[in-house]
Amino acid sequence: IAGITQAPTSQILAAGRRMTLRCTQDMRHNAMYWYRQDLGLGLRLIHYSNTAGTTGKGEVPDGYSVSRANTDDFPLTLASAVPSQTSVYFCASSELAGGPATGELFFGEGSRLTVL
Amino acid sequence: GQNIDQPTEMTATEGAIVQINCTYQTSGFNGLFWYQQHAGEAPTFLSYNVLDGLEEKGRFSSFLSRSKGYSYLLLKELQMKDSASYLCAGVDSNYQLIWGAGTKLIIKP
Repeated sequence: IAGITQAPTSQILAAGRRMTLRCTQDMRHNAMYWYRQDLGLGLRLIHYSNTAGTTGKGEVPDGYSVSRANTDDFPLTLASAVPSQTSVYFCASSELAGGPATGELFFGEGSRLTVL
Repeated sequence: GQNIDQPTEMTATEGAIVQINCTYQTSGFNGLFWYQQHAGEAPTFLSYNVLDGLEEKGRFSSFLSRSKGYSYLLLKELQMKDSASYLCAGVDSNYQLIWGAGTKLIIKP
């Protein structure tokens, strides 16, 4: 089944540790995004990539980094995790490269991260 | 500032009709999305409106009034599987998405 795969599904992490959330898509979409979802708040964009080899900062990029070495993969790294990064993280993609509002977003199932 | 407002929670009865409202304040406006998100799952696309009026898609319809900064999602013939959160997202002048916090819809038998 085509779509977006995220890993891990869930992770408990000690503060100060490094963590990479993996995201792979098989739809050959140009654009990919990382969002975090917190109770009582709307989805917030962390980083995005309009095409392989390029990345950009979203609304809440501090403490996170991304890379886009190829079309399919878009990992999100927390260099030194802090408790405020406890959240559910969603990777998403869209066919068009003009940003998350230029077309339907396809989301992965999410990665639930707890930082203690 | 930019803002999307929608009710936190609504309750409705199986077989009934429910309307979920969304008001938006964005710098410029280039449309409005609705997504459905079941608990513990990924959001999935429901609709996109950029012109005024009602767009119907089966049991779900979405309405937009640009002059009032207002949209609603109408769900008819409610089924238990419609229990989910419904996310409203406005598109600003830079084609960035501004997300609401979502409306949790509870369907009772």
